Amino acid sequence: DAKTTQPPSMDCAEGRAANLPCNHSTISGNEYVYWYRQIHSQGPQYIIHGLKNNETNEMASLIITEDRKSSTLILPHATLRDTAVYYCIVREPTNSGYALNFGKGTSLLVTP
Amino acid sequence: KAGVTQTPRYLIKTRGQQVTLSCSPISGHRSVSWYQQTPGQGLQFLFEYFSETQRNKGNFPGRFSGRQFSNSRSEMNVSTLELGDSALYLCASSLGDRGVSPLHFGNGTRLTVT
Repeated sequence: DAKTTQPPSMDCAEGRAANLPCNHSTISGNEYVYWYRQIHSQGPQYIIHGLKNNETNEMASLIITEDRKSSTLILPHATLRDTAVYYCIVREPTNSGYALNFGKGTSLLVTP
Repeated sequence: KAGVTQTPRYLIKTRGQQVTLSCSPISGHRSVSWYQQTPGQGLQFLFEYFSETQRNKGNFPGRFSGRQFSNSRSEMNVSTLELGDSALYLCASSLGDRGVSPLHFGNGTRLTVT
């Protein structure tokens, strides 16, 4: 699976949009981009995933560049409860099993 | 729909003992994965089970083992516990297709080895 690069930390004011970048310059055509987050002392929570097109759900939007070398997770109106570590993961569907490489992620701090 | 349930939430064991952790996946999910999380190493993949068969395995010693039952519930066992096994152990389930569907995690079992 392709390697991802994320900034170690970011701040965001409550009520503003949080834009979390992820670089995956070696992504292949079959690899999906997944975002998870982990709030302290809880298990990781799935947020959103996509292949080529931009995606939106009730939690967030995922913007993937046309060349697919990078993506941005957007939390449109950040709240204090969005303070968490956010992981961007790239993986290719395979019949040989499902193992995610979480990396270090981005620690997002939402401030009042 | 109920989420992934892990029991117990907390465990304290002594070096040399063995421990069994339990995971009940989301109804209809056939794949169960286990991860270890420590402050130093982050989240690391242990193994994945699908239809009672281990489908993938991470780079952990043989002291770490698991199994999956016909109802998709899974257990993880660690034998001859070491201090370094102190960690948060997370279970995740998914539909078990080729891997497009996401993982859904439980809140983990916090194991402390003294």
